[in-house]
Amino acid sequence: GEDVEQSLFLSVREGDSSVINCTYTDSSSTYLYWYKQEPGAGLQLLTYIFSNMDMKQDQRLTVLLNKKDKHLSLRIADTQTGDSAIYFCAESRGYSTLTFGKGTMLLVSP
Amino acid sequence: GAVVSQHPSWVICKSGTSVKIECRSLDFQATTMFWYRQFPKQSLMLMATSNEGSKATYEQGVEKDKFLINHASLTLSTLTVTSAHPEDSSFYICSAIRDREADTQYFGPGTRLTVL
Repeated sequence: GEDVEQSLFLSVREGDSSVINCTYTDSSSTYLYWYKQEPGAGLQLLTYIFSNMDMKQDQRLTVLLNKKDKHLSLRIADTQTGDSAIYFCAESRGYSTLTFGKGTMLLVSP
Repeated sequence: GAVVSQHPSWVICKSGTSVKIECRSLDFQATTMFWYRQFPKQSLMLMATSNEGSKATYEQGVEKDKFLINHASLTLSTLTVTSAHPEDSSFYICSAIRDREADTQYFGPGTRLTVL
């Protein structure tokens, strides 16, 4: 079956790097996504990576994919208090259906 | 681009009433939209896939007579919660796929429904 697992909570200090980890079980996943959800709001697509890529960098965000271990991570460099939110990992086998993890709450303290 | 809006952003209603939630793609056409439900501190659960001009496809366990979906145009899908009960209280989020970008869903801001 399909399953996406994330750690529930991460606390870092402002200026440090944050690393949020995710594991998935579906080896046929085509795309893997990271979404950000602020309190009371919808989901904001942060970045995504194709399953044939190992790494993708976008400004402060670095996504690493270990397809062999089915492990995905999101690194946020120079974490700011505005980065405090819930981060969802999601996987897709192509065209639409997303399976989400339960989300990781990132708390950034000054 | 790729902005999705929802209306209302929050609604409180009495048990037994029906509530309609709108999902609009503001700057693109969306042949396909999705409706999710999110309980507190939980992940998003897909309720149904809404296709313009055809019937919605519901996920297992979702009552189609309870949650009516209408995708009447390329920019609008509506979810009507019929005869709402307190257990229907939740955060409802829609998403849309922009044509030619089938692997990316753009999410609306969500609608908080509270049924008294």
